[in-house]
Amino acid sequence: AQSVTQLDSQVPVFEEAPVELRCNYSSSVSVYLFWYVQYPNQGLQLLLKYLSGSTLVKGINGFEAEFNKSQTSFHLRKPSVHISDTAEYFCAVSDNQGAQKLVFGQGTRLTINP
Amino acid sequence: NAGVTQTPKFQVLKTGQSMTLQCAQDMNHNSMYWYRQDPGMGLRLIYYSASEGTTDKGEVPNGYNVSRLNKREFSLRLESAAPSQTSVYFCASSPVVRPQETQYFGPGTRLLVL
Repeated sequence: AQSVTQLDSQVPVFEEAPVELRCNYSSSVSVYLFWYVQYPNQGLQLLLKYLSGSTLVKGINGFEAEFNKSQTSFHLRKPSVHISDTAEYFCAVSDNQGAQKLVFGQGTRLTINP
Repeated sequence: NAGVTQTPKFQVLKTGQSMTLQCAQDMNHNSMYWYRQDPGMGLRLIYYSASEGTTDKGEVPNGYNVSRLNKREFSLRLESAAPSQTSVYFCASSPVVRPQETQYFGPGTRLLVL
């Protein structure tokens, strides 16, 4: 069975600063990796996903993530954050063995200070 | 095109009461899911329906039942609510049940059981 660990429950940063949200996973089989974002009082929406191919994945709103198989990581980055990026971010994993059962991390709350 | 809609948005129940959470999607998706979100625990899958007429248990099915009423609608029922079921419930859908598919989430139902 897979598991996901998001190493930081909260990350405060200043506006226009870079940010990295960390995600590690464990699985005995090949995986697909996702980052979802939840803005206040809303449902989750997909930021980006890694299925195969290039390990650097670009998503919406200027976010990108890098799949590192040897480190079993899928960290999310943005070079310059805006106030509107304030949200909770969830890393999730599914394996390629059958039905889609997403396993979510605990979430990282990103707070942007002006 | 409303995407995934959920009703009600907020509900307060007393222990032992029953209620049904409603979910509908207008994206012609085959697969639908129910999750619960608890602080510090991410989202956990309660039940899913790969296609109309089928339902399967997820990670935390105890205390819940589901009905896939038709292709559009997937309801979640609490027969005898308990305080441990206080949570935010999210419905999601995807075109099919494949591990690489993006899931599309509703805005959530916030449930408080006293």
